[in-house]
Amino acid sequence: QSALTQPPSASGSPGQSVTISCTGTSSDVGGYNYVSWYQQHPGKAPKLMIFEVSKRPSGVPDRFSGSKSGNTASLTVSGLQPEDEADYYCSSYAGRDKYVVFGGGTKLTVL
Amino acid sequence: EVQLLESGGGLVQPGGSLRLSCAASGFTFSSYGMSWVRQAPGKGLEWVATLPGSGGDTYHADSVKGRFTISRDISKNTLYLQMNSLRAEDTALYYCARQYSRAFDPWGQGTLVSVSS
Repeated sequence: QSALTQPPSASGSPGQSVTISCTGTSSDVGGYNYVSWYQQHPGKAPKLMIFEVSKRPSGVPDRFSGSKSGNTASLTVSGLQPEDEADYYCSSYAGRDKYVVFGGGTKLTVL
Repeated sequence: EVQLLESGGGLVQPGGSLRLSCAASGFTFSSYGMSWVRQAPGKGLEWVATLPGSGGDTYHADSVKGRFTISRDISKNTLYLQMNSLRAEDTALYYCARQYSRAFDPWGQGTLVSVSS
């Protein structure tokens, strides 16, 4: 069982927006502004999409955005494109003991 | 271009040992923290261990504490994961990744570890 809770699946049609949630506790998501999101296509390594809750690495389209409220972080993908179909994982810093915890992943389907 | 290339995976019997390596290039290896993250077949991501850029205290997940050890050789630009007392539940694709503000970026392509008799 993963430390952070994500819905197992999400879907949307091309051009639509979809939001994926990531719920933790005050010891991880709620306690630090170090939430990250990763995209993983089948057979590929994960790719960092969002770090520090809402920052995008260079090269990540601005269709991807992140936010946080309390113990829940969210990833929003706007203007869905077929290539956005992938698994998405959230992670959070959790202090010196647990260091980093991951969510169980959400499979995003572009209908 | 930043590149991370893992090696050392393979088939090992329960109780056995393996040492994974991650050869880094394209950045100043000594200035960055490095981590190992694993993914069991068909499952999600699990953080395994982190070595900060300062080279100070290391961090290991409870599931591997006392059995796995993360280390690095700056002269070789190489990160290691020494894995002892391996169990079936350690079977996974092991990725090395560079630390970037408590996040992981980029990731290598992974090396597969299978623990089975």
